[in-house]
Amino acid sequence: GENVEQHPSTLSVQEGDSAVIKCTYSDSASNYFPWYKQELGKRPQLIIDIRSNVGEKKDQRIAVTLNKTAKHFSLHITETQPEDSAVYFCAANAGGTSYGKLTFGQGTILTVHP
Amino acid sequence: DAGVIQSPRHEVTEMGQEVTLRCKPISGHNSLFWYRQTMMRGLELLIYFNNNVPIDDSGMPEDRFSAKMPNASFSTLKIQPSEPRDSAVYFCASSLLDGNTIYFGEGSWLTVV
Repeated sequence: GENVEQHPSTLSVQEGDSAVIKCTYSDSASNYFPWYKQELGKRPQLIIDIRSNVGEKKDQRIAVTLNKTAKHFSLHITETQPEDSAVYFCAANAGGTSYGKLTFGQGTILTVHP
Repeated sequence: DAGVIQSPRHEVTEMGQEVTLRCKPISGHNSLFWYRQTMMRGLELLIYFNNNVPIDDSGMPEDRFSAKMPNASFSTLKIQPSEPRDSAVYFCASSLLDGNTIYFGEGSWLTVV
């Protein structure tokens, strides 16, 4: 089955700095890579996703890059703000007939200091 | 849309008792997922359904866990008998069958004492 590794497990930055979280996956058939943000006591919420026919996608201060050859993808947050503090999860879908089945990374606790 | 609706939001029960968690997916969504979240194991997929049919239950930890989806707007996850190690947040999520974006419910926080 799919295996998703996420690094780092914790990340501390100063407000205004950039934050980068990296993930690798094992299933070469995976073609969908979402990122979720989870605030304390809340549900995971999708913040951005990328599909395998695209190398990079941006949405305001958030961007995701994908390298299918190397099987890794990254989340970039620029100009971080205290409200970006949360746990971030990457995920990859299963290929074949299980496109909706996501495997999640272990999460990165991001802390943005004012 | 009201989103994915789960109940109960919080439950505290004694070891050995039966626990039933309920989920109503987003209207029109035909894939439904049950995830469990713990500090040690992160977010784990327990089971998922397409068009009310269980597709993959390989994540269900043991026979004490069972899940049903009798119709397109309702699913249950049952634990019988419950054990302290089942304490976790259980998330239900749904998506369109031919789309990948998964939307999570608020979760059911289960504590077994």
